[in-house]
Amino acid sequence: GAVVSQHPSWVICKSGTSVKIECRSLDFQATTMFWYRQFPKQSLMLMATSNEGSKATYEQGVEKDKFLINHASLTLSTLTVTSAHPEDSSFYICSARAQGSSRNTGELFFGEGSRLTVL
Amino acid sequence: KNQVEQSPQSLIILEGKNCTLQCNYTVSPFSNLRWYKQDTGRGPVSLTIMTFSENTKSNGRYTATLDADTKQSSLHITASQLSDSASYICVVKGNNRLAFGKGNQVVVIP
Repeated sequence: GAVVSQHPSWVICKSGTSVKIECRSLDFQATTMFWYRQFPKQSLMLMATSNEGSKATYEQGVEKDKFLINHASLTLSTLTVTSAHPEDSSFYICSARAQGSSRNTGELFFGEGSRLTVL
Repeated sequence: KNQVEQSPQSLIILEGKNCTLQCNYTVSPFSNLRWYKQDTGRGPVSLTIMTFSENTKSNGRYTATLDADTKQSSLHITASQLSDSASYICVVKGNNRLAFGKGNQVVVIP
């Protein structure tokens, strides 16, 4: 079946540095990808919708200059956490919907997630 | 208030036993409802997708039901296995947006 890959699966960084997380659809094209963050025992919170070839759409309260999203191709979206701080520590997950799938029942595939720890 | 409420928040069951997880939603208009299994530290994996006209859908030992009139869904796990220990997330699509529940945390013990 379709697979969405995230890299890195975990990262530890110092406060003030920037971290890039990649999300790739391995065997299908995705014009739209989604980025979420998840705190322990909480539901996934949509951060932004990544659109291939155009600017991402951010959810209310999510700083676009803090969380840079680039959807450079139909199989790759990246999330860069700029000037990371300890409060940015979280589990970041991406998802993608296969192009051409039914809008009503289209399968949404999630990546394995990336655990970010900012010291 | 969250548009998707799941209960119980967590439960512990003995291996081999059955359990039922509940999902109530207020999302409207309704497009579809999905159940995902999320292992600790991993991404969610789809179990079932149900549309308005579907009442029951099975995937192995997982059976999902949907009552679109009362806006309720359940996920039944039959003959639980240790590998069923995970968070089960109910996701409802409406207005081209997804609403996520907080998940049912299931722990299966031998």
